[in-house]
Amino acid sequence: AQSVTQLDSHVSVSEGTPVLLRCNYSSSYSPSLFWYVQHPNKGLQLLLKYTSAATLVKGINGFEAEFKKSETSFHLTKPSAHMSDAAEYFCVVRLIMNYGGSQGNLIFGKGTKLSVKP
Amino acid sequence: DGGITQSPKYLFRKEGQNVTLSCEQNLNHDAMYWYRQDPGQGLRLIYYSQIVNDFQKGDIAEGYSVSREKKESFPLTVTSAQKNPTAFYLCASSIVYQETQYFGPGTRLLVL
Repeated sequence: AQSVTQLDSHVSVSEGTPVLLRCNYSSSYSPSLFWYVQHPNKGLQLLLKYTSAATLVKGINGFEAEFKKSETSFHLTKPSAHMSDAAEYFCVVRLIMNYGGSQGNLIFGKGTKLSVKP
Repeated sequence: DGGITQSPKYLFRKEGQNVTLSCEQNLNHDAMYWYRQDPGQGLRLIYYSQIVNDFQKGDIAEGYSVSREKKESFPLTVTSAQKNPTAFYLCASSIVYQETQYFGPGTRLLVL
């Protein structure tokens, strides 16, 4: 079975300090992995995606994530947090084999709320 | 501007009432999706459609219905059979099925 676990429900950082949002996945096959961001009462915006090319993926707004197969991780990082980064972040894996008839569908983590203190 | 629109932003439902949430996209995407978001639970798939006039149930389809008569439109009806409809509903689309999904701004449904 494929699944995704976000290890922290809430992360708080100070403005200008690094951000680390942790994500582990479970998949029997090479997964496609995504990070989305959601600001309050808004839709989800794609930050970045991994699809078996380079293991270090750069996204928008200075975020990047590294795919580590040995650790089954896809942690999201940013060197320096901005106040505008305060939002909820979702790690997502895409099913790539038939699984209950939902091939190709997304499995979402439960989200990590990022707070940024001035 | 291309994108996905959802309306209304807030919707109120009375007991025993069916309500319909609108989702429109002008991205020329073939595939469309409906998700339900509850606090602390991430997103769960309700229905998806790979092509016009075709759709499949997702993980939590009970109490919901959809139609896909036009490529750009994928309305979701929350029926009276859905006993706990209060949630944030998100519509998404992708160029083709299995490609990256792009999301609309969402509709918040509240029960009176």
